[in-house]
Amino acid sequence: EVQLVESGGGLVQPGGSLRLSCAASGFTFSSYWMHWVRQAPGKGLVWVSRITSDGSSTTYADSVKGRFTISRDNAKNTLYLQMNSLRAEDTAVYYCARVNGPLDYWGQGTLVTVSS
Amino acid sequence: DIQMTQSPSSLSASVGDRVTITCRASQGISNYLAWYQQKPGKVPKLLIYAASTLQSGVPSRFSGSGSGTDFTLTISSLQPEDVATYYCQKCNSAPYTFGQGTKLEIK
Repeated sequence: EVQLVESGGGLVQPGGSLRLSCAASGFTFSSYWMHWVRQAPGKGLVWVSRITSDGSSTTYADSVKGRFTISRDNAKNTLYLQMNSLRAEDTAVYYCARVNGPLDYWGQGTLVTVSS
Repeated sequence: DIQMTQSPSSLSASVGDRVTITCRASQGISNYLAWYQQKPGKVPKLLIYAASTLQSGVPSRFSGSGSGTDFTLTISSLQPEDVATYYCQKCNSAPYTFGQGTKLEIK
């Protein structure tokens, strides 16, 4: 069974940093591209970032470019999102999702709250 | 960047009704379009990919069509469990933009 489990969310002050993790199981993690998608409270889905299967290529939404870094450790079956210079508008549930054409499996999400 | 615009933003229909949601891309995206369903408090679920291919396990009352810039998601006979917000997403290249969502309620 495919499972994606996010962790690392929490309360952080504006300007602070946080690293999210997404532990994958039930499939050959190293064969799949992965995405991060976020959803602010009561709002819609917003794509954040994508990484290729070997980690050689990454891309970001303009709103997070230069502040967020996506990475992966295929030996640990884990996806990461390093978030720096956090702003109030980054407050959201962050989902990791597997790419199989579209996003076919999603994690349960981890809540990031940026507030003083 | 290509924008994805859904209509309507919200919709109220009766059980058994045929429901149609539209998604328009600001530029052509061929058939690289997916639809997701997000029930209240739940994780998004893939319904349709490649514009018209039903994901395994999704009820056949859901269907998708379109290509290029105009796409539709149709529910042939609305059921109470279909109450959710529906999102389209372009899947061909970054940015992988979502539509703003269509909230579907039962009348």
